[in-house]
Amino acid sequence: SQQGEEDPQALSIQEGENATMNCSYKTSINNLQWYRQNSGRGLVHLILIRSNEREKHSGRLRVTLDTSKKSSSLLITASRAADTASYFCATDGNGANSKLTFGKGITLSVRP
Amino acid sequence: DAGVIQSPRHEVTEMGQEVTLRCKPISGHNSLFWYRQTMMRGLELLIYFNNNVPIDDSGMPEDRFSAKMPNASFSTLKIQPSEPRDSAVYFCASSLPSNGRYEQYFGPGTRLTVT
Repeated sequence: SQQGEEDPQALSIQEGENATMNCSYKTSINNLQWYRQNSGRGLVHLILIRSNEREKHSGRLRVTLDTSKKSSSLLITASRAADTASYFCATDGNGANSKLTFGKGITLSVRP
Repeated sequence: DAGVIQSPRHEVTEMGQEVTLRCKPISGHNSLFWYRQTMMRGLELLIYFNNNVPIDDSGMPEDRFSAKMPNASFSTLKIQPSEPRDSAVYFCASSLPSNGRYEQYFGPGTRLTVT
């Protein structure tokens, strides 16, 4: 079954606005990661949050994790047209292997 | 570092032909992953290797698909014979798990079209 599922599936905002994307998962995790994919490119790692962390910041990115609800959110503040991309959450299992399970992704469009 | 290198970037072939996709992971990384991405099915993990050994190939769709990693710096994904439904973008990613962190670094992908 799909481990990470993002919502909404698509989001369109105006440049300068904040974008919030959500991810839910089903089983216990060690870490949760967010990746970005620009059209025609490979995925790029954005940020990792450990299961014992609740919030993490990196530049204009803010990630929260609620393990009791098995959910995470990615906030991009002061969005730019260059933030237009697909965003994926990925979870690892609660074991020792390095396999990640990716959600289907959220398509973010930032209008200039 | 050059990042993960994949070749070819684009491949167009006829149904029934053999297709070989290639990947060079980031030097020093010991985990390598092959994914397939389509609009309908999203990003699917096909197989992954740790220290050149296949760990989980449960995502390989059929016997027509095979993957090898003869050494730490090279891997291939082969489809024989290819079918139109294999058309997709195939990504290779590598990772160096450290301190419980498993960030993956993706290559640019190979866009495969089977006619």
